[in-house]
Amino acid sequence: DGGITQSPKYLFRKEGQNVTLSCEQNLNHDAMYWYRQDPGQGLRLIYYSQIVNDFQKGDIAEGYSVSREKKESFPLTVTSAQKNPTAFYLCASSSGPRGGLLERTDTQYFGPGTRLTVL
Amino acid sequence: GEDVEQSLFLSVREGDSSVINCTYTDSSSTYLYWYKQEPGAGLQLLTYIFSNMDMKQDQRLTVLLNKKDKHLSLRIADTQTGDSAIYFCAESPYSGNTPLVFGKGTRLSVIA
Repeated sequence: DGGITQSPKYLFRKEGQNVTLSCEQNLNHDAMYWYRQDPGQGLRLIYYSQIVNDFQKGDIAEGYSVSREKKESFPLTVTSAQKNPTAFYLCASSSGPRGGLLERTDTQYFGPGTRLTVL
Repeated sequence: GEDVEQSLFLSVREGDSSVINCTYTDSSSTYLYWYKQEPGAGLQLLTYIFSNMDMKQDQRLTVLLNKKDKHLSLRIADTQTGDSAIYFCAESPYSGNTPLVFGKGTRLSVIA
């Protein structure tokens, strides 16, 4: 089955520790995105990547880092510099500039999410 | 900059129609989207509409677009308890793979 997977589903971290959230897709999509969701605040963009080995900061990048070494993978590291990391994290992907003629290149498809709790 | 606004809550009775509204600011938006999020899950794409259309229907879902007023609505006919979720409106500011701009979501509660 094609899709986007995120692991783990639940993650607990002690204050002061870095933690990495996994996002993998087998849709052959060029672009990938990370969002943070807090109650009542909708989705906020953390980082996005339009192509391998390139990424851009979103609206709330401070305290987070990413890498894009492979097309299929876009891991997000929540560092100890992130003051309030407890949230629901969502990964998404879109086909990008080489998408097919019948597919909207910016239509985003989401993974199931990872809930991070800082103890 | 782009902005997408939605009311935060909507409550309807089972069997009635639900109408979720959205306004956006970017007149150059090419596509507008509706996503559904069930508790503890990711967002599921429901439908999208191209900006040169004014209506799109897909089974129980009807999307209406008033481009002049920059107003988008999602109508769910014969609303069921399984429709209870958060519904997000999103706009695509440009063609291509730039990030979508999302509203904060409307929580739909269906009363049996």
